[in-house]
Order: sequence, then structure tokens, then C-alpha cells
Amino acid sequence: AQSVTQLDSHVSVSEGTPVLLRCNYSSSYSPSLFWYVQHPNKGLQLLLKYTSAATLVKGINGFEAEFKKSETSFHLTKPSAHMSDAAEYFCVVSWGAGNMLTFGGGTRLMVKP
Amino acid sequence: EAEVAQSPRYKITEKSQAVAFWCDPISGHATLYWYRQILGQGPELLVQFQDESVVDDSQLPKDRFSAERLKGVDSTLKIQPAELGDSAMYLCASSLADQTTGYTFGSGTRLTVV
Repeated sequence: AQSVTQLDSHVSVSEGTPVLLRCNYSSSYSPSLFWYVQHPNKGLQLLLKYTSAATLVKGINGFEAEFKKSETSFHLTKPSAHMSDAAEYFCVVSWGAGNMLTFGGGTRLMVKP
Repeated sequence: EAEVAQSPRYKITEKSQAVAFWCDPISGHATLYWYRQILGQGPELLVQFQDESVVDDSQLPKDRFSAERLKGVDSTLKIQPAELGDSAMYLCASSLADQTTGYTFGSGTRLTVV
């Protein structure tokens, strides 16, 4: 069975400090992995995606994620948090012939001034 | 930049009433998804279309929910009758058939059932 676990439901950082949002997946197939961000009352915006090319994936707004098959992880990082990064972040795995998406439970990122 | 259009943005309805949501995907996107996101949780797939055909509706509560994409372009999701537990954000997403450009989500319809 395929599943996605986001290890922290809430993460709080100070502005200008690094961000780490953790994600582990379980998949019988070679997965495609995504990170999406959702601001309050907004839809989901794609940050980045991994589709079996380079294991280090760079996304928008300075975010990047590293696919580690041995650890079944796809953690999201950013060197320096900005106030505008405060939002809900979802790790997502795509699997199966129909390329269905399975979402993690989400991590709420709070950025303190 | 092309967007997935959804309407209405907000909907309040009384329980036992019928309610419908509309989604217009990005032009050329063959695959369309409807997701339900309960407050504080991640989205869950309700139904997936490939053109006008349903690919997966295993999580759609078919006794009260229905979805259609008659011409393979825009789509409608209907709930009849609505229940209090249906209060959630309903998100529509679309992608090319090969998902090479990823999935684009609309802004969603927030449904409140009272």
C-alpha cells in the first residue's frame, strides 16, 4: 500500500532561519513525489516535483527537496525562511497506472518575526 | 498563467438540500480530479476523469455524490442531499494525460452545511 507521512504537524521557525519539513513515503512502485503549498483559503500551489531524474530537486521561492530512496524520504528545505512562507505544506506521492495522488496530513509552517 | 477555474468560491447550504460545484480545467488537460479537504487534513481523492470517462471513483459516496464531465472539458460535482459532514473544501485539479507538467489545482469551493 502507498502512504505518505509528514512527521511534523506544526513547525515554527524564526524569519531568516532554515526550514526543514519532513516527509516519508511508502510505495511499491517507483514514485513521483511532490510538495505543494496552501495559503489560507487558497488552492494548492506546486512547489516542486521529483520524477526519477535528479535526486535533488529545486523548486520555486527558494525551496528544494532531496529524494533519498534508502531512507524513503523526501524532505523539504529552505535556507532562510520568509514571513510569506507561513502556510500549510503537503507532501504528495503519485502512484499507480492512473497516477493518482496520495496526500500527507500536512505541516503548518509558522514564521516568527 | 493558465488556471483551473472553480465556482462558487463559497457555498452555504442547509442539510438535505442539493448543491453543485463547477470546475473548468486548463485547456488541453485530459485528466481532471475532484478532491475533498476537511479542515485540518490533506485532500482526499473523490473522483478522477480521463477525458469524459471515470478512471477512479472508489472513494466517492455514490449514494449522495455524483460527478460528470460530459464533453471531456468542464466538470460538475453534485451532492444530494447534503449532510453536515460534507462541510469541507472541494478542490478541482487537472493535468496532461502523462502528468509531465504536474497537477494544477483550482482555488476550491468551501462548502458549509448548516
